Amino acid sequence: DAGVTQTPRHEVAEKGQTIILKCEPVSGHNDLFWYRQTKIQGLELLSYFRSKSLMEDGGAFKDRFKAEMLNSSFSTLKIQPTEPKDSAVYLCASSLEVNYAEQFFGPGTRLTVL
Amino acid sequence: GQQVQQSPASLVLQEGENAELQCNFSSTATQLQWFYQSPGGSLVSLLSNPSGTKHTGRLTSTTVTKERRSSLHISSSQTTDSGTYLCAIEVSNYNVLYFGSGTKLTVEP
Repeated sequence: DAGVTQTPRHEVAEKGQTIILKCEPVSGHNDLFWYRQTKIQGLELLSYFRSKSLMEDGGAFKDRFKAEMLNSSFSTLKIQPTEPKDSAVYLCASSLEVNYAEQFFGPGTRLTVL
Repeated sequence: GQQVQQSPASLVLQEGENAELQCNFSSTATQLQWFYQSPGGSLVSLLSNPSGTKHTGRLTSTTVTKERRSSLHISSSQTTDSGTYLCAIEVSNYNVLYFGSGTKLTVEP
């Protein structure tokens, strides 16, 4: 079974650009998570989907961050417009739709905003 | 918000020594996971251990739910164990994880 895949692995954007990050969860996993990782803040939740429905979005990230799950095997995270403070590693994770399930993480997308 | 505190922040060992990593959390955890992250790498789940003691290979995790703490013991450390170890908890039936800031382990030859 393939694990969680994320593309691109690296992205460089100019301030004000729109960028779209992609994630494919583990086949059969109905829970999907987007996290952001920085050295200062550590890992923070951006969005959480269960069976394609948005269950939780990180309140601090609502205005310029939008995650979507158009089908059960694909999700996108759009940042519009990007700012230099958005430079971070964006991680996607998935798990089974059962309580207390283990989460499996993708390799991440390293975003640099100039 | 949820608070997960890890200690020590960093740890340097000689190869063959044992490591003891601590995780304390502010809420009752319904799930607790330990992750490993290599420099520049992604997160790899090591153990899920919401209560009791679990072993896998050279790793032993002990979680005392009532006291809101967990530990990760690494025996006979190897240079390849170097990296960051993260503790994360769930506090509800939703599978959202809250992470600590990690312990950076360096194992020298």
